[in-house]
Amino acid sequence: DGGITQSPKYLFRKEGQNVTLSCEQNLNHDAMYWYRQDPGQGLRLIYYSQIVNDFQKGDIAEGYSVSREKKESFPLTVTSAQKNPTAFYLCASSNPGLAGSYNEQFFGPGTRLTVL
Amino acid sequence: DAKTTQPTSMDCAEGRAANLPCNHSTISGNEYVYWYRQIHSQGPQYIIHGLKNNETNEMASLIITEDRKSSTLILPHATLRDTAVYYCIVRVANYGGATNKLIFGTGTLLAVQP
Repeated sequence: DGGITQSPKYLFRKEGQNVTLSCEQNLNHDAMYWYRQDPGQGLRLIYYSQIVNDFQKGDIAEGYSVSREKKESFPLTVTSAQKNPTAFYLCASSNPGLAGSYNEQFFGPGTRLTVL
Repeated sequence: DAKTTQPTSMDCAEGRAANLPCNHSTISGNEYVYWYRQIHSQGPQYIIHGLKNNETNEMASLIITEDRKSSTLILPHATLRDTAVYYCIVRVANYGGATNKLIFGTGTLLAVQP
C-alpha cells in the first residue's frame, strides 16, 4: 500500500536533547512538508522540500532542521534551540503535477513529541 | 492567500446532512477552495476542492456561491465517524512544479450526535 509513515507515534525526550522524527513516503512524490500542531490550533508549516537536496523554511523554522538526501525520506530534527518543542508533528507529501492542477497533500499519522 | 472564516464548532444528528460554512470574502479569481478534515490525533485528510462550480465526490459536495465569497461543504448523511475538525483553505492553483503551501486555520469541530 502506498502512503506516508512516521515513527515513532509517541516520543519522550529530556529538555536540552536533540531528537529526530522520521518521515518516509512510497508515493513517489517530489514535495514533502513538516507541520507542527499545538492543542486546539491549526497546522503551522515548519519546513518543506520541493525536490531532493533542496528545502525551504516555512513559517516557524527556528529551532528545527531537516535534510532531503532521498526522495522518499524527509527527517526532521528538533534541536535544543526550540523553546517549546512539545507538540504533534505531521509530515505530508504531494506531487506538484501539471500547471493548474490542485495540490492535494497526503499526511502521515503524526508523531506526538513530549519534552520533559 | 485569502483568509477564511469558519464557525468554531457545529453539531449534527447522525444520518442527517451536515452543512459546514466557510467565508472567504477576499478570494482571488485564481484561488481554489480546498476542504480537509482531521480526525482526533490523526493527520488531515483531503476531502474535495473547487474553483467556481459545485463539486461532488464520494465523500462530500462543495457548493460555492456565485460571487465565490463563501462556500459550504455538505456531508449528505453524517455518521459518527465523520466527527472531526474540518478545514476550509483557499490557495492558488499549482503553477507547474511549484510547491504550494496550505495554510490551515483552526477549522470547525463537527460533532455528530447519535
